Amino acid sequence: AQSVTQPDIHITVSEGASLELRCNYSYGATPYLFWYVQSPGQGLQLLLKYFSGDTLVQGIKGFEAEFKRSQSSFNLRKPSVHWSDAAEYFCAVGDQGSYIPTFGRGTSLIVHP
Amino acid sequence: DTEVTQTPKHLVMGMTNKKSLKCEQHMGHRAMYWYKQKAKKPPELMFVYSYEKLSINESVPSRFSPECPNSSLLNLHLHALQPEDSALYLCASSQENLLAGEGAKNIQYFGAGTRLSVL
Repeated sequence: AQSVTQPDIHITVSEGASLELRCNYSYGATPYLFWYVQSPGQGLQLLLKYFSGDTLVQGIKGFEAEFKRSQSSFNLRKPSVHWSDAAEYFCAVGDQGSYIPTFGRGTSLIVHP
Repeated sequence: DTEVTQTPKHLVMGMTNKKSLKCEQHMGHRAMYWYKQKAKKPPELMFVYSYEKLSINESVPSRFSPECPNSSLLNLHLHALQPEDSALYLCASSQENLLAGEGAKNIQYFGAGTRLSVL
């Protein structure tokens, strides 16, 4: 079965600094990969997804992610973080049998002014 | 309109109560989902409805009873819950069932959730 690992429980960055959130997956074939964001008291919002094609994926809110098969990774990046980006970020994986995402444990992003 | 609406936003209930959570979407989506999310944990899939029929039940206890009366509405009936059932309950919808071959073209839209406390 597919699984996804987010090694960082918390990440703290200063406003305006760059951001990279790590995600590693375990799956034999090409996985389907997602990044979601959950603001406090809110549901989940899809930031971006990768199914095939260009390994650098652009998402909403200025986020991007890069699929690296050799490293089994799908890290999320943003060049300049805003205070409103403080939230919980979930990496998720699906497979060809099911596009229903299986979520990682999440990374909590804290933004200092 | 890409909104999934969940009511109520908060619910407190005793272990002997019967209550219902409601989820509504008007995007013409034919698949709807219930998730349970404990604090500081990822969402866990509970049920999937496709074309108003239950297609997945992730071994959820019978004290949770889903219902899909029409394509726009999804309910979760609660009865005799335990304190450990306290959680955020999220509803989601997608154009088609994500199990289908065309699933790659679909994404899930989530509601804001109902925060349930069982006393």
